[in-house]
Amino acid sequence: QVQLRESGPGLVMPSQTLSLACSVSGTTVSTGTYYWSWIRQSAGKGLEWIGRIYNGGDIDSNPSLRRRVTLSIDSSKNQFFLKLTSVTAADTAVYYCTRGALGWLDPWGQGTLVLVSS
Amino acid sequence: EIVLTQSPGTLSLSPGERATLSCRASQYVPSRYLAWYQQKPGQAPRLLIFGASNRAAGTPVRFSGDGSETDFTLTISRLEPEDFAVYYCQQYSSSVFTFGPGTKVQVK
Repeated sequence: QVQLRESGPGLVMPSQTLSLACSVSGTTVSTGTYYWSWIRQSAGKGLEWIGRIYNGGDIDSNPSLRRRVTLSIDSSKNQFFLKLTSVTAADTAVYYCTRGALGWLDPWGQGTLVLVSS
Repeated sequence: EIVLTQSPGTLSLSPGERATLSCRASQYVPSRYLAWYQQKPGQAPRLLIFGASNRAAGTPVRFSGDGSETDFTLTISRLEPEDFAVYYCQQYSSSVFTFGPGTKVQVK
């Protein structure tokens, strides 16, 4: 059974960098069949795709976030990562990590709430 | 970017009734890149339908998806108590994913 779990600080100061990790179990991030994505959900903007990364390092990201987003993957730890720079209150959201195949996302992690506040 | 519009915003029905949810895209979406998710309070979204009409593992047969090009539909043939939730459609094209705003199915 594939499971994903997000981890990282629940509170980030404005203008700082949000850093999250997603730990994967039940499969390996090095499989070439799938990609690994980040999604966030806020009351104001609903579900918003942040980006995806393949084990080979290919990355796609939301054009609206691209200049602030860094995605990476560590096969040795079976994890992948999100960094979002220069955060503001608008980045407050529940962040989910997911596995993707073709055009759909499954399964999802439980999500982690990140609050941007001083 | 393709924008997805879902209607209605809220659907008030009783258990046993049929639910029909609509998802309209601002541009053509290949059917293989259209998915539906269910989200219950405090939980992550769960994949229900992929490729517009294929049930994901564990999705009950009362859920069905249909549609093509810009108009897609999720139907729940007979609502069970556990089906009252929010449903999102999602598309993938040009290396970008977008989601609809969701339809809330609530108890009448």
